[in-house]
Amino acid sequence: DAKTTQPPSMDCAEGRAANLPCNHSTISGNEYVYWYRQIHSQGPQYIIHGLKNNETNEMASLIITEDRKSSTLILPHATLRDTAVYYCIVRDNNAGNMLTFGGGTRLMVKP
Amino acid sequence: GAVVSQHPSWVICKSGTSVKIECRSLDFQATTMFWYRQFPKQSLMLMATSNEGSKATYEQGVEKDKFLINHASLTLSTLTVTSAHPEDSSFYICSARPGSNYGYTFGSGTRLTIV
Repeated sequence: DAKTTQPPSMDCAEGRAANLPCNHSTISGNEYVYWYRQIHSQGPQYIIHGLKNNETNEMASLIITEDRKSSTLILPHATLRDTAVYYCIVRDNNAGNMLTFGGGTRLMVKP
Repeated sequence: GAVVSQHPSWVICKSGTSVKIECRSLDFQATTMFWYRQFPKQSLMLMATSNEGSKATYEQGVEKDKFLINHASLTLSTLTVTSAHPEDSSFYICSARPGSNYGYTFGSGTRLTIV
């Protein structure tokens, strides 16, 4: 699976949009971009995934650049409960293998 | 949605004892489940892939005789930490998915503390 690069930490004011970047310059054509988050002492939680089109669900939006070498996860109105480590993972959906986690971004939402 | 249940959520054991952690897929069948370990302030590291009806596949550096994995049914995988020592204290998490068109679902994790 392609390697990803994320900033180790970010702060965001409560109620503002949190924009979490991810670089995946070696992504191949059949690899998806997945985002998970892990709140302290819990298992990771699925947020969103996409291949090349932008995606939106009730939790977040995923913006993938046209060349697919980077993406941004957007939490439109961050709350204190969004404080967590956010992981960007790229993988081939048909590979049938596990998810490989990098360091992630520790997002701190502040009042 | 797909739910993975993990039990217990935390356990404290004496050094030298064995501890069993269960991972269940509640509303789907999983021929494959994954076991991860996470030390404080570190990312999740894959330990092994649990395969229903066959032997587990272990990642490099993970002792298969110490971390026994059994996947006897399509909804249950167990991880047994044998002769546990304080260095085995960690957060253990399992994961599975209903099929290739679905995202991975994770259990809530087991905080294992060996004293």
